[in-house]
Amino acid sequence: AQKVTQAQTEISVVEKEDVTLDCVYETRDTTYYLFWYKQPPSGELVFLIRRNSFDEQNEISGRYSWNFQKSTSSFNFTITASQVVDSAVYFCALTPSGNTPLVFGKGTRLSVIA
Amino acid sequence: DTGVSQNPRHKITKRGQNVTFRCDPISEHNRLYWYRQTLGQGPEFLTYFQNEAQLEKSRLLSDRFSAERPKGSFSTLEIQRTEQGDSAMYLCASSFYAGDRVLRGYTFGSGTRLTVV
Repeated sequence: AQKVTQAQTEISVVEKEDVTLDCVYETRDTTYYLFWYKQPPSGELVFLIRRNSFDEQNEISGRYSWNFQKSTSSFNFTITASQVVDSAVYFCALTPSGNTPLVFGKGTRLSVIA
Repeated sequence: DTGVSQNPRHKITKRGQNVTFRCDPISEHNRLYWYRQTLGQGPEFLTYFQNEAQLEKSRLLSDRFSAERPKGSFSTLEIQRTEQGDSAMYLCASSFYAGDRVLRGYTFGSGTRLTVV
């Protein structure tokens, strides 16, 4: 069975602090895809990153970075120098083989306070 | 790439009425997915299509729910005899699956928020 666990339900930080959102996944497939999405108060799911299980390189995009570790089945997301506009619910998701629908975690609500 | 479009954005209906939502995926995507999201939860899979074929339906999709993708382009999701428990955000997504575990994209629309009163 596939499962995504986001243990942090809510996180609150002060603007300019760094924050890491944790994601732990379970799958028996050797090929799988991991995703992060941002859901602002308006409700749409905004795509942030997709990572294939064969690509373990960490990725940085501006203030965002992702740490993929197969050994611990984790795909953590770090926001550096957080801003108020980063306030949203963040979801981690998994599709084993890419050929099945996404399985989502329950999300982490991030509040960045000015 | 105009993104995934969903209509309407909001729908309020009385219990027992039928409702229909529409999703227009990204044109080059061959897969289209429907998810449901209730307050405080992550999206849950309902059903998906590859072109016009409906490949899988979740057990969440009761017999009051039906989805179509008649020409492999847009899709509709209909709920008959709505119940208050159907109140949720209904999200559509599209992707391109090239076979052999190769996946591209996976873009969501803005969703249709259904309120059953």
